[in-house]
Amino acid sequence: DVKVTQSSRYLVKRTGEKVFLECVQDMDHENMFWYRQDPGLGLRLIYFSYDVKMKEKGDIPEGYSVSREKKERFSLILESASTNQTSMYLCASSLDGDSGANVLTFGAGSRLTVL
Amino acid sequence: QKEVEQDPGPLSVPEGAIVSLNCTYSNSAFQYFMWYRQYSRKGPELLMYTYSSGNKEDGRFTAQVDKSSKYISLFIRDSQPSDSATYLCAMRGGGSYIPTFGRGTSLIVHP
Repeated sequence: DVKVTQSSRYLVKRTGEKVFLECVQDMDHENMFWYRQDPGLGLRLIYFSYDVKMKEKGDIPEGYSVSREKKERFSLILESASTNQTSMYLCASSLDGDSGANVLTFGAGSRLTVL
Repeated sequence: QKEVEQDPGPLSVPEGAIVSLNCTYSNSAFQYFMWYRQYSRKGPELLMYTYSSGNKEDGRFTAQVDKSSKYISLFIRDSQPSDSATYLCAMRGGGSYIPTFGRGTSLIVHP
């Protein structure tokens, strides 16, 4: 089974702090994604990556950056955390690119609270 | 209008009921249709996916796609309290490999 591991399940940070959310997948998937999930708003794509060192903006990239130095690892960075970034962050990976369903495998999520 | 519409619920049913969860969409280029289940405080997990129109069955779950109406359904037979979760539909096609998600429907199956 593909496993997507998010290193931190719960984090509490202060406004202005730099925050790193780490995600690792173990099945050699090409694509990796970062979403945030908020009540009533559903899943919103922040960034995705289809290859090492490649990244593409999703629907809500403002205030975030990402890093993919190795195929298995995709990091989400909040340069200066703000209270409106309090959310559940979900990492996902997928094998298929242009063909197939591009089924996503999700991690368990990282619940971030910014005070 | 959002590309994918899904009633957030909650939908509350007694144990043993047949549950129908639905999504409508506007993009006729969608070809792949997926259902994810998300338990509280967990990430979504794939339940089923179908390609194009038709039905697909897996145990108590049946996924149905009607492309002419731009309408997809997930049926759960003999629902159990363990089916209580949020169900998200997702679809992909038209040159984009990024799936588009519905907002999810919260299902509560009470004993």
